[in-house]
Amino acid sequence: DGGITQSPKYLFRKEGQNVTLSCEQNLNHDAMYWYRQDPGQGLRLIYYSQIVNDFQKGDIAEGYSVSREKKESFPLTVTSAQKNPTAFYLCASSPGQNNEQFFGPGTRLTVL
Amino acid sequence: DAKTTQPPSMDCAEGRAANLPCNHSTISGNEYVYWYRQIHSQGPQYIIHGLKNNETNEMASLIITEDRKSSTLILPHATLRDTAVYYCIVRIKAAGNKLTFGGGTRVLVKP
Repeated sequence: DGGITQSPKYLFRKEGQNVTLSCEQNLNHDAMYWYRQDPGQGLRLIYYSQIVNDFQKGDIAEGYSVSREKKESFPLTVTSAQKNPTAFYLCASSPGQNNEQFFGPGTRLTVL
Repeated sequence: DAKTTQPPSMDCAEGRAANLPCNHSTISGNEYVYWYRQIHSQGPQYIIHGLKNNETNEMASLIITEDRKSSTLILPHATLRDTAVYYCIVRIKAAGNKLTFGGGTRVLVKP
């Protein structure tokens, strides 16, 4: 069953702790993306990767880090440097640069 | 990417067509119009996109005006499951491929 999976769906962390959000896709897509969504707002791009072992900062990369060691995986680490980490995090992938993006179900992170 | 303007909300009766407008008066010649929707607490779902010709797929139809400054997404027979926030996005296909989401239109389909 092809698709994008994000885990966990809900995540709670204490302030000051780093946390890593998982994103896996078995669609053989080259490009992957991380977005953040705050209540009542649209999505904002954090990081994106067009190919394995390469990634670029999006509009709000500060306080976040990513890796792309495998084509199917694009984990996002929310570091303690991120001032307001509580949000809904969405991962997406696309077959290439010019194609529509397919989204995962999202992870809702709450920092206490 | 060009900015888009959408009404914040609209209601639609179940079984009727839903017509969702979007203004993109600053669109440039190489920018496409994309539509996504997001059901509460889920990831956005791609619906349709077009450049200047009208487009239709199994989910919806996209009507783009001749001057390309506005477009309308048509859901031909709205169901309760179509209740969602609908986003109109204008972007170049080649520029880093990010999607810039505005506020969207919150569509409520009523029985």
